[in-house]
Amino acid sequence: GENVEQHPSTLSVQEGDSAVIKCTYSDSASNYFPWYKQELGKRPQLIIDIRSNVGEKKDQRIAVTLNKTAKHFSLHITETQPEDSAVYFCAASSSGNTGKLIFGQGTTLQVKP
Amino acid sequence: GAVVSQHPSWVICKSGTSVKIECRSLDFQATTMFWYRQFPKQSLMLMATSNEGSKATYEQGVEKDKFLINHASLTLSTLTVTSAHPEDSSFYICSARGTGGFHYEQYFGPGTRLTVT
Repeated sequence: GENVEQHPSTLSVQEGDSAVIKCTYSDSASNYFPWYKQELGKRPQLIIDIRSNVGEKKDQRIAVTLNKTAKHFSLHITETQPEDSAVYFCAASSSGNTGKLIFGQGTTLQVKP
Repeated sequence: GAVVSQHPSWVICKSGTSVKIECRSLDFQATTMFWYRQFPKQSLMLMATSNEGSKATYEQGVEKDKFLINHASLTLSTLTVTSAHPEDSSFYICSARGTGGFHYEQYFGPGTRLTVT
């Protein structure tokens, strides 16, 4: 069935450094790849997304890249700040009848001041 | 825009009782709503997909008779946990997907923390 693998499970960086989180997906029909940030006890917040007709998308300090051939997509956060500390989830979806999201396992990012 | 609410935000119930959780899209019509369960320090696990006016589609391993889902209108879906047990204690989150410009994105509710004693 559909599966999304996410690595690493934890990531600790120094403030100002970059952070990279990687995901792979199994369903070749997937065409929508959102990234969510979740703080403890709160709802996931969409931070950036990419569709399969695009290879890269950037929004200020956040960027996402997609390699459809390899079924990989990655989140890049530059100039990290302590407030970036949270759990990040990748997900994959197809635009079929349901458009359901399959989530990765999550990455706990800690940005040390 | 694209606000989703959930009620209640938290609930404590006794083992064997039933609990209903509501999910509402406040400013858009949600043709499809999704229900997730999230255990501590784990990912979101999709439980079921709910389309307005039709039966929900449950993911493998989710008991449809235990987790009753009703999507009676384009702005409201409910999840009822029947005969709750302590192992059902979890964070339940809904999301809603609209049509047109919202076709891909899902908007998440704030979640409901269920504790079964």
